[in-house]
Amino acid sequence: GAVVSQHPSWVICKSGTSVKIECRSLDFQATTMFWYRQFPKQSLMLMATSNEGSKATYEQGVEKDKFLINHASLTLSTLTVTSAHPEDSSFYICSAKSSGKGTYNEQFFGPGTRLTVL
Amino acid sequence: RKEVEQDPGPFNVPEGATVAFNCTYSNSASQSFFWYRQDCRKEPKLLMSVYSSGNEDGRFTAQLNRASQYISLLIRDSKLSDSATYLCVVNSPGGYQKVTFGTGTKLQVIP
Repeated sequence: GAVVSQHPSWVICKSGTSVKIECRSLDFQATTMFWYRQFPKQSLMLMATSNEGSKATYEQGVEKDKFLINHASLTLSTLTVTSAHPEDSSFYICSAKSSGKGTYNEQFFGPGTRLTVL
Repeated sequence: RKEVEQDPGPFNVPEGATVAFNCTYSNSASQSFFWYRQDCRKEPKLLMSVYSSGNEDGRFTAQLNRASQYISLLIRDSKLSDSATYLCVVNSPGGYQKVTFGTGTKLQVIP
């Protein structure tokens, strides 16, 4: 298969704290990883794209200093929500692509992390 | 115009019915098309890729119309387990091969 894990699956934190979410490709090397955010009753919105060893490319309107992305290896990417506020509460989902897995442009999704900021 | 547009539904259909969803896309240079399924509070999962010649997988048929820039998904003999949100996904030509998700079409199959 092509398994992507995320940790934690849910987190509740106080306003002003930072939260780190990990995304791992378990049985393949992910050349590219994506981070999405999904608010209730809305679709997935791409936040940023990251390639191993290089800086992430952020979508318009996404603050790179607030959402820190690190893609240190071919199997791990992390998203850190810094100084979280209640409006950052959302479902964060990562996905991974591999040239050796799936069809062209297919992405494999992690199970998501539900963040609630009080 | 949105990059990818879908009718949000919900489509409420009885078991055994046939239901079809359409999705339009704005970028004529798009090359990859997918249908994903998302259950409530879960991650999206690939249902099927959409090829130029159309493709079928059991009760599911996907088609691509490049001239009119839309893709379709047909579900025959609907099952209760088909109840979910179906997301149309289209690649965005350019760097990193990112994709754009439609807002999804909600299907509810009723006993």
